[in-house]
Amino acid sequence: GENVEQHPSTLSVQEGDSAVIKCTYSDSASNYFPWYKQELGKRPQLIIDIRSNVGEKKDQRIAVTLNKTAKHFSLHITETQPEDSAVYFCAASYGTGFQKLVFGTGTRLLVSP
Amino acid sequence: DTEVTQTPKHLVMGMTNKKSLKCEQHMGHRAMYWYKQKAKKPPELMFVYSYEKLSINESVPSRFSPECPNSSLLNLHLHALQPEDSALYLCASSQDPADEKLFFGSGTQLSVL
Repeated sequence: GENVEQHPSTLSVQEGDSAVIKCTYSDSASNYFPWYKQELGKRPQLIIDIRSNVGEKKDQRIAVTLNKTAKHFSLHITETQPEDSAVYFCAASYGTGFQKLVFGTGTRLLVSP
Repeated sequence: DTEVTQTPKHLVMGMTNKKSLKCEQHMGHRAMYWYKQKAKKPPELMFVYSYEKLSINESVPSRFSPECPNSSLLNLHLHALQPEDSALYLCASSQDPADEKLFFGSGTQLSVL
């Protein structure tokens, strides 16, 4: 089955700095890679996703890059704000017929004012 | 309506109790999921329903019994749980089983005493 590793486990930045979170996956057949943001006590929310036929995707201050050859993908947040503080999970899809998501172990991002 | 609604938000139960968690969505999604999330861990897939039929059971103990009465509702019946079953139980839905884009509910925080 799929295995997803995520680093770092915690990340502290100053407001306005950039933050980068990296994930690697094991199953070369995976073709969908979402990122979820989860604030304390709240639901995971999809913030950006990328498919394997695309190398990069941007949405305002958030971008995701994918390197299929190396089997890793990264989340980039620019101009961080205190409200970006949360746990971020990457995930990779696997399975045929029924798509399943395997999540990384999460990164706790703390943005200090 | 673009939400997945879960009730109750919090539940405390004893090991001999029987309780049920409920999940509802009105987005016309035909795949619904139960995930379990322990503190500071990623969500882990438990069950997948596709067109109201149980399609995937990730080797979940029988003390957890899912039910999908109709295309909008998903229940999780709990009986004789153990303290280690205490966790956040998340419901999610997607447009169909092949669609990896999940919409999560806010979860039920379950404590088993």
